[in-house]
Amino acid sequence: AQKVTQAQTEISVVEKEDVTLDCVYETRDTTYYLFWYKQPPSGELVFLIRRNSFDEQNEISGRYSWNFQKSTSSFNFTITASQVVDSAVYFCALKGGANSKLTFGKGITLSVRP
Amino acid sequence: DGGITQSPKYLFRKEGQNVTLSCEQNLNHDAMYWYRQDPGQGLRLIYYSQIVNDFQKGDIAEGYSVSREKKESFPLTVTSAQKNPTAFYLCASSIRGVNTEAFFGQGTRLTVV
Repeated sequence: AQKVTQAQTEISVVEKEDVTLDCVYETRDTTYYLFWYKQPPSGELVFLIRRNSFDEQNEISGRYSWNFQKSTSSFNFTITASQVVDSAVYFCALKGGANSKLTFGKGITLSVRP
Repeated sequence: DGGITQSPKYLFRKEGQNVTLSCEQNLNHDAMYWYRQDPGQGLRLIYYSQIVNDFQKGDIAEGYSVSREKKESFPLTVTSAQKNPTAFYLCASSIRGVNTEAFFGQGTRLTVV
């Protein structure tokens, strides 16, 4: 069975602060992929990043960075120097198995105050 | 423009009526998904399909039905058996396979009164 846990439900920071969003997953598959999505107030989910189970390299894209640690089954997302436009709900997701089931966590609501 | 179209954006229905939510994609994706979003519950998988004429139940399939007669279409019917149908419904599609990200529609907000 697949499971994604995002223990943080709501985070509020002041603009320019760094913030880390946690994601822990469970799966029996040896090959799987992890994803992060952003859901702005408009409602449509926007894809941010994909990481496969064999690649534990950290990734940085502008102010965004991701830390994948297989040993702790975690795939955390850090926003550096947060901005008001980063305010959204962020979802971590896991895809694996023969039928490529895509499972999401409950999401983290991030509020960035000016 | 390529993308996923969900219609309508807002839908109101009386309790006890079946209602069908539309999802169409022109991305030539084999896989399609339906999710339900409730406050504090995240996205929960209702049904998914990897190929035409085949689909699997997700985690909360009870009270819902789907069909996949065409590659570009994956309609979701919310039946009267669904006890609490008021929610935000999201459709997604992807290239078939575990390594591909899903693309989402703008969602349909269903309110049952």
